[in-house]
Amino acid sequence: NAGVTQTPKFQVLKTGQSMTLQCAQDMNHNSMYWYRQDPGMGLRLIYYSASEGTTDKGEVPNGYNVSRLNKREFSLRLESAAPSQTSVYFCASSAGHRWTGELFFGEGSRLTVL
Amino acid sequence: GENVEQHPSTLSVQEGDSAVIKCTYSDSASNYFPWYKQELGKGPQLIIDIRSNVGEKKDQRIAVTLNKTAKHFSLHITETQPEDSAVYFCAAGDGNKLVFGAGTILRVKS
Repeated sequence: NAGVTQTPKFQVLKTGQSMTLQCAQDMNHNSMYWYRQDPGMGLRLIYYSASEGTTDKGEVPNGYNVSRLNKREFSLRLESAAPSQTSVYFCASSAGHRWTGELFFGEGSRLTVL
Repeated sequence: GENVEQHPSTLSVQEGDSAVIKCTYSDSASNYFPWYKQELGKGPQLIIDIRSNVGEKKDQRIAVTLNKTAKHFSLHITETQPEDSAVYFCAAGDGNKLVFGAGTILRVKS
């Protein structure tokens, strides 16, 4: 019953440091997504992977990279963290990818960049 | 591109009263309108969705209405309970994108 699991749940970085957020889903979903949530701005799509082996940019991809390691795992990397990347990050998955089906979200990873 | 506006940003109601959250969208191609509920410290969870060939959909105390001509849709919660307190997000999309509103903090006072 794990669903979508994200690690770590909390992280503090200094400007310029790098880190990777990990995400895994156990629902055999084809599509996976990374969103960021900022106060007053809702959820904004960073990158998505419609299927294993493919990745595409979303609304706010600058400063991020992703890897779809296999069908289960989708990681988000910050190569050189900036204070503007302070946010709560959510990974999500869905069975199909036509943006017209349910998204299943993880519990979020709170990142602070000093 | 699509732009989704959500109102109000915060809403306080007395337990047992109804709550209404409204969203407008800009892209007439949008045909899928989900609503997500986010409890404190959790990820958003789908509570109801509607597609453009339907004007209204109901699930127990929750209903969503859609007016495609005016490009707006609304979430209605009747007989609110303390456990309805959460952040609610609307979204609008088609086969190529899904755009979220900024969210509404709903507080149900007992």
